[in-house]
Order: sequence, then C-alpha cells, then structure tokens
Amino acid sequence: DAGVIQSPRHEVTEMGQEVTLRCKPISGHNSLFWYRQTMMRGLELLIYFNNNVPIDDSGMPEDRFSAKMPNASFSTLKIQPSEPRDSAVYFCASLQGGSYNEQFFGPGTRLTVL
Amino acid sequence: QQQVKQSPQSLIVQKGGISIINCAYENTAFDYFPWYQQFPGKGPALLIAIRPDVSEKKEGRFTISFNKSAKQFSLHIMDSQPGDSATYFCAASITGAQKLVFGQGTRLTINP
Repeated sequence: DAGVIQSPRHEVTEMGQEVTLRCKPISGHNSLFWYRQTMMRGLELLIYFNNNVPIDDSGMPEDRFSAKMPNASFSTLKIQPSEPRDSAVYFCASLQGGSYNEQFFGPGTRLTVL
Repeated sequence: QQQVKQSPQSLIVQKGGISIINCAYENTAFDYFPWYQQFPGKGPALLIAIRPDVSEKKEGRFTISFNKSAKQFSLHIMDSQPGDSATYFCAASITGAQKLVFGQGTRLTINP
C-alpha cells in the first residue's frame, strides 16, 4: 500500500485566496483525521471522520475552515479566505478501526499564506 | 482534563546515553498510550504503545514505563544514536474513541 497520500506537498498563496488540501487514506481504513502542526501550538486535531461522517469538528478554528469526505477514499480541507496565521503544516491520518488504534500519517502539506 | 502534558520541550543527549521523555495525564478513562516519532519533513509514525494493564513495555532500545497511580508514563531510549534525533510525541486515547490527545512534543538531539 502507498500509505496516506496528500496533495499538494507545498502550497504558497496570498492572503484572501481559497486553499484546498487533499487526502487519500489507506484503503480499508474507516477513520480519517486532519491535523495542523505549528511551532507554537504543536499538533492540533482539526476534525475527524468515521465512515465518511464528521464526528468531531471542535478543533476547526473558525468558519473559514471546512472539511468534506465525499467517499471512503478522498477528503478535502478547505480554507476560504486564507490568512497568514493559517501558515502551518497540515497532516491527514487514517486509522483502520476495530481493535487497531494506530493512526497512519501522510507526509503533510506545508502551507504558506503571504 | 483532556490534556497530556509532555516534558522536556527539547533534550540533548550524547551518543550512547539514555534519553528520557515524560508525560502526564488527568483523564483516568484513557487506556491507550502511544508514542509517535517524527523526522523533519515527515509525518509522525507510531513508535511504541502501551495499555495500563502493564507497567512496562520494551521494543529494542525503546521502553515505555507506565505509572497508573501517578498518571504518568515515560519513554526511555537506551544507547541513544544520532539516528534517533527527531521530535517525539506522547499521546493518549480511550479505546473505541479513536481520537488521540497529543502532548506538545519533545525535540531530541543526539550528539555524535
């Protein structure tokens, strides 16, 4: 298996622009997580899905952030409009479920908002 | 009560020494305690994990020590090597809840 796939790996955009980050979880995994990592705040859980349904979005910073999972093999995290303080590395992770607790992380998307 | 507190924030150890990273939690419902390792430019990856029915788990040079009464757990890296230089995160969760609560991370540097 190729592991969790994220695209793009790097994104540079200007303040006010819309940004869409993409994630393909490991096949057969039924939970998907979006995290944000910064030096100041560490690794923060933004939202997670179970069987394509959002379960907990309490970490989503504000209405500018939205996430979707239209099917078991694809998820997006959208920021509209983007702001410089959104600059961070965004990780997607997936988990098989059942008795397996290990989350598998993707390589991340480094977002820079100018 | 959902927090996991990790210390130190950064740690420098000489090659061959023992690296020790500590974590503390409040929620007694937590029953799964993993450690993740992250190299620069990569996502975190599971290193080792423990459940509270045992006080210690060892995998190679990596050992988790768990103290249920103190609500603390720690990672020990024996014979630390330069290749162990990375950021380490402790975490905790409740079985079935899927969501992990992460500590703030420790940046470990092993000097050759």
